[in-house]
Amino acid sequence: DAMVIQNPRYQVTQFGKPVTLSCSQTLNHNVMYWYQQKSSQAPKLLFHYYDKDFNNEADTPDNFQSRRPNTSFCFLDIRSPGLGDAAMYLCATSRGEGMGQPQHFGDGTRLSIL
Amino acid sequence: GQQVMQIPQYQHVQEGEDFTTYCNSSTTLSNIQWYKQRPGGHPVFLIQLVKSGEVKKQKRLTFQFGEAKKNSSLHITATQTTDVGTYFCAVNTGNQFYFGTGTSLTVIP
Repeated sequence: DAMVIQNPRYQVTQFGKPVTLSCSQTLNHNVMYWYQQKSSQAPKLLFHYYDKDFNNEADTPDNFQSRRPNTSFCFLDIRSPGLGDAAMYLCATSRGEGMGQPQHFGDGTRLSIL
Repeated sequence: GQQVMQIPQYQHVQEGEDFTTYCNSSTTLSNIQWYKQRPGGHPVFLIQLVKSGEVKKQKRLTFQFGEAKKNSSLHITATQTTDVGTYFCAVNTGNQFYFGTGTSLTVIP
């Protein structure tokens, strides 16, 4: 089935130790998004790629970086995780053309910081 | 940044009762999307509304976009335990993407 796949489902890292979260998609969608979701809160958009064009949200910390080497894959790098970065990280995709295309989400990676 | 408020934040209903969540914006919205997130799950797209005053139905769910395109509502008739989850409205203009604050629905059997 076409889908958005996130690996791993659970990730534990140490305070300050870089970590990379992965997302792949078989939908061939132009747009890929990364969201951070903390408990009982709405998903918060960190950044998105429209094809290779990177779009960073104004309030996304510099600690968060992203890479999209090809259409199918997108990575979220957290350079020096702090305790406040513990959260669920959701990857999503959508078609690029037109306004308001539905977003398709992966199952997420739950990040814990020791 | 822009924010879309949803009320109520939490709602507990007896199975069979109706449920409504409201999404309110201070600015005119180009469109509104609705997502459902089950406990421990990821958001799942339900529907999109674009036109002023638009009403769409999906079985027991009725979605409405306000005439001024500043508010929207989701109404569930005769809730079932499978309706449990958090319902988010969301705005996706192609350049801006943000979720409403969400309404968490608990259905008591």
